[in-house]
Amino acid sequence: EIVLTQSPGTLSLSQGERATLSCRASQSVRSDYLAWYQQKPGQAPRLLIYGASTRATDIPDRFSGSGSGTDFTLTISRLEPEDFAVYYCQQYGSSPPITFGQGTRLEIK
Amino acid sequence: DVQLVESGGGLVNPGGSLRLSCAASGFIFSSYSMNWVRQAPGKGLEWVSSINSGSNYIFYADSMKGRFTISRDNAQKSVYLQMNSLRVEDTAVYYCARGWGCSGGSCFLLDWGQGTLVTVSS
Repeated sequence: EIVLTQSPGTLSLSQGERATLSCRASQSVRSDYLAWYQQKPGQAPRLLIYGASTRATDIPDRFSGSGSGTDFTLTISRLEPEDFAVYYCQQYGSSPPITFGQGTRLEIK
Repeated sequence: DVQLVESGGGLVNPGGSLRLSCAASGFIFSSYSMNWVRQAPGKGLEWVSSINSGSNYIFYADSMKGRFTISRDNAQKSVYLQMNSLRVEDTAVYYCARGWGCSGGSCFLLDWGQGTLVTVSS
């Protein structure tokens, strides 16, 4: 089973700043099959990025994903008020179980 | 628009059973893998189970094997999760999610329902 570790646990930033979220895998994620999700309080998660760097439909271009192997990054170039949420990475490159990181909470400073 | 609507959650005693349902619309249901993911109160996401389009590849998280059973009815555009021998630690919101880009049975999750709360308590 691939374990995903996200850092930091909580990130405090201001609107307009750049956010960099990390996801590290315990072993290489095959074919960069890594996704990112955003979850706001009381809501279901929403797919942001798949294949490590491909934005999902209707996701603004201020969200970008990068990385390969065991180290992946989600970057939000200029934070908007609606971006403050919890973010999860998920790997799907190996046979189940699908695994998620523990989440990074992005909060307003 | 894609819609996934879960139902069947509620309060159940430890050792009891529940059957969750997820009704899908807005896409060709029979072409997609379907998944259940849960989230305990205040905690992160935990994958529960997946079933491919033809119901011939089914997977479970280790802690659910032997207790949970996933199934689907493509004619009814629905996926189900039968949960037996429920434990206090199974308390969570259960989401159904449409899978895509699958590799060896693992997929990323395109769309999610709003979830149904299962509470296991005496």
